[in-house]
Amino acid sequence: QVQLVQSGAEVKRPGASVRVSCKASGYTLTNYDINWVRQATGQGLEWMGWMNPKNGNTGYAQKFQGRVTMTRNTSTGTAYVELSSLRSEDTAVYYCARGVGDIWGQGTMVTVSS
Amino acid sequence: EIVLTQSPGTLSLSPGERATLSCRASQSVRNSYLAWYQQKPGQAPRLLIYGASSRATGIPDRFNGSGSGTDFTLTISRLEPEDFAVYYCQQYGTSILTFGPGTKVEI
Repeated sequence: QVQLVQSGAEVKRPGASVRVSCKASGYTLTNYDINWVRQATGQGLEWMGWMNPKNGNTGYAQKFQGRVTMTRNTSTGTAYVELSSLRSEDTAVYYCARGVGDIWGQGTMVTVSS
Repeated sequence: EIVLTQSPGTLSLSPGERATLSCRASQSVRNSYLAWYQQKPGQAPRLLIYGASSRATGIPDRFNGSGSGTDFTLTISRLEPEDFAVYYCQQYGTSILTFGPGTKVEI
């Protein structure tokens, strides 16, 4: 079964960093781009950026430039997004999605609170 | 960055009725690289349409996408109870992807 399995919920203090993982199952990670999207409670979908897992190339939304890093481990078939200098407005569910979005992870809740 | 505008914000309909959702782009979407997603509370989005008019795997034929350039439409021919949800359009014709704000289809 083709799926993306994400890591569990995180609670972080303002100013900290968080890393969310996304493991590909049932297909080879390097065959498709990975997009990261987040959604604050009751809000719409916000695209954060993409990564080509084959060569590691990335592209980030301007809003997150300088704070976001997308990486991968091809040997384990896992993609990662790291967001630094967290603030309360970063509290959201973070999703990874394959390519155009035919497969999505289950979402990871990240809460930023003092 | 291409800005997507969706209308209406909320659509109040009954099962069996036809739903017409609009997505307008601030500039032409290259190659009609426009997707539609359905999202229900507590769930990840589900891909319905890609390339403006191609149905994703397993999507019922009551969902139809059309349009090109800057104007796109998602039509649900006869609403089923499970179709009441929020629908988002997304363009992927540039290296910076963007989503529309969503249309809520409610009973």
